[in-house]
Amino acid sequence: AQKITQTQPGMFVQEKEAVTLDCTYDTSDQSYGLFWYKQPSSGEMIFLIYQGSYDEQNATEGRYSLNFQKARKSANLVISASQLGDSAMYFCATMDSSYKLIFGSGTRLLVRP
Amino acid sequence: GAGVSQSPRYKVAKRGQDVALRCDPISGHVSLFWYQQALGQGPEFLTYFQNEAQLDKSGLPSDRFFAERPEGSVSTLKIQRTQQEDSAVYLCASSLESGRINGELFFGEGSRLTVL
Repeated sequence: AQKITQTQPGMFVQEKEAVTLDCTYDTSDQSYGLFWYKQPSSGEMIFLIYQGSYDEQNATEGRYSLNFQKARKSANLVISASQLGDSAMYFCATMDSSYKLIFGSGTRLLVRP
Repeated sequence: GAGVSQSPRYKVAKRGQDVALRCDPISGHVSLFWYQQALGQGPEFLTYFQNEAQLDKSGLPSDRFFAERPEGSVSTLKIQRTQQEDSAVYLCASSLESGRINGELFFGEGSRLTVL
């Protein structure tokens, strides 16, 4: 069964600096996908970025990039040039063979002005 | 509307009361998922529909939980005889296609259930 581990319950970052949110995963599937979602206080889960297990290049979406290290089974999210609006919960997830998302416990990010 | 709509946004129920939570997915989306998110935790899978067919209900915690999507669009999650441990945010998500490992899920804002 798939499992996602996020070891940072909370993180602080200074506005305009970069921050890395850690995620490790465990799966026996050869083909899998990794996702990051943002959850602001409103409660909605907002899709940020996706990485496929066979993608050779790390995924990037604007200020978000995914540092994918397959051998270490890690899929860390890097947010560059942090903004106050980035303060939220961040969840790493993987999609299992029945196409449902399995989430980690999340990291709360607080951006300081 | 353009996104996934859930109602009610907030529900307070007395222990033992039945509740019904509604999800209106994005029009044309084939797949629909329900998740339960306890305070301070990540969402946990409850059940999955492909059109009107409930293909996976392995995450439903007990037979007090029941979900349906009779016409392949709107879905209702019903909880009978609510208990305090049912207090959580219930998230609905939809996806245009099924069976794609990179299929993006679009989430609603959730229904926050508090059982007294």
